[in-house]
Amino acid sequence: NAGVTQTPKFQVLKTGQSMTLQCAQDMNHEYMSWYRQDPGMGLRLIHYSVGAGITDQGEVPNGYNVSRSTTEDFPLRLLSAAPSQTSVYFCASRDQGRNEQYFGPGTRLTVT
Amino acid sequence: DAKTTQPPSMDCAEGRAANLPCNHSTISGNEYVYWYRQIHSQGPQYIIHGLKNNETNEMASLIITEDRKSSTLILPHATLRDTAVYYCIVRVAYTNAGKSTFGDGTTLTVKP
Repeated sequence: NAGVTQTPKFQVLKTGQSMTLQCAQDMNHEYMSWYRQDPGMGLRLIHYSVGAGITDQGEVPNGYNVSRSTTEDFPLRLLSAAPSQTSVYFCASRDQGRNEQYFGPGTRLTVT
Repeated sequence: DAKTTQPPSMDCAEGRAANLPCNHSTISGNEYVYWYRQIHSQGPQYIIHGLKNNETNEMASLIITEDRKSSTLILPHATLRDTAVYYCIVRVAYTNAGKSTFGDGTTLTVKP
């Protein structure tokens, strides 16, 4: 199993540009989440999904959209990038019947 | 989700036990204590979780006080590779993270 994969690893955007961060998992996990981590800080939840077709907001959802059309994929869309969205983004997944989350390697995003 | 308080940093000598405390005085009866760690620039890694009994696995032990208002993660024989940020999280089991965050954690430095 590849586990949780994220692409791209690095990305630089200009203010106002849009892009999609990709996340995929091959463990057939129902739950998937997106977090952001600013320098020297902990992780904050952006959006999460409890299954295909179901998404909900986390702590810091503004400026981001998600969709969950398949169990495997959970893309995160930045609608109009702002410098405040410069951060490292982590995707995670979890099996419904278990407690531990599995995290991807992260995407490092810089908005200039 | 209950808020947690952790010391910002700790040092430990290689080969000795590392004891990482966490305060969660507002924990509810159905909330579990989870521990994750994040080695530099990588995605967080699940370590252990518990409700009220002490727990042990191949990575660590978790000691929860009888009133459940605090807990301690124990790495019995710390190695240099255990240098990481350790996060204590409290939330209801078998639910997604909801609006919880990982906080700032404790930076553990294992020294030779």
